[in-house]
Amino acid sequence: QKEVEQDPGPLSVPEGAIVSLNCTYSNSAFQYFMWYRQYSRKGPELLMYTYSSGNKEDGRFTAQVDKSSKYISLFIRDSQPSDSATYLCAMKEGSNYQLIWGAGTKLIIKP
Amino acid sequence: DAGVTQSPTHLIKTRGQQVTLRCSPKSGHDTVSWYQQALGQGPQFIFQYYEEEERQRGNFPDRFSGHQFPNYSSELNVNALLLGDSALYLCASSAPVGTIYFGEGSWLTVV
Repeated sequence: QKEVEQDPGPLSVPEGAIVSLNCTYSNSAFQYFMWYRQYSRKGPELLMYTYSSGNKEDGRFTAQVDKSSKYISLFIRDSQPSDSATYLCAMKEGSNYQLIWGAGTKLIIKP
Repeated sequence: DAGVTQSPTHLIKTRGQQVTLRCSPKSGHDTVSWYQQALGQGPQFIFQYYEEEERQRGNFPDRFSGHQFPNYSSELNVNALLLGDSALYLCASSAPVGTIYFGEGSWLTVV
């Protein structure tokens, strides 16, 4: 079993819809949680960074962390065709330097 | 402010050859990490450099080695290339406490 599980998709939704992306993990020591967006053949771009549990909002993006369920989510409101990309979750322990990644979910926003 | 810069962007090598990839971190960042990302997968941690020393290493063979220079830039060297080394190689930089930013990556094809 992988430490971080993420549905690879693709997830296809119409423009303007609310998108929900999720990851589950098994390591209870993870404390830092990140969401990255990656366009085809490009490097990952940091979207959201959260420490421990709770919600964080930035524009159209909301990140949620539920450490009791070992479950994190990214919500995208008013989705746009330009949001079409692969979304990767990443997380790390407080005392560890490496990020552990999900495999990424491919998101397609249809005009 | 330049972000994380990597070179070369694309390269093709033959099995058994050696390759060197280069990375300049974001201004103000002193820590550099290297990741390997195969197609359709999340990045895998290779190692991290801080104060010119390898601070942590992932599950990669000794064929993968690195270096960090006094100006915080870094190199990744891979010897005795295998077909399975074909991937996107990502450099990430961070400050002592803060978020992690990635470069656009170097696409390596081994033939």
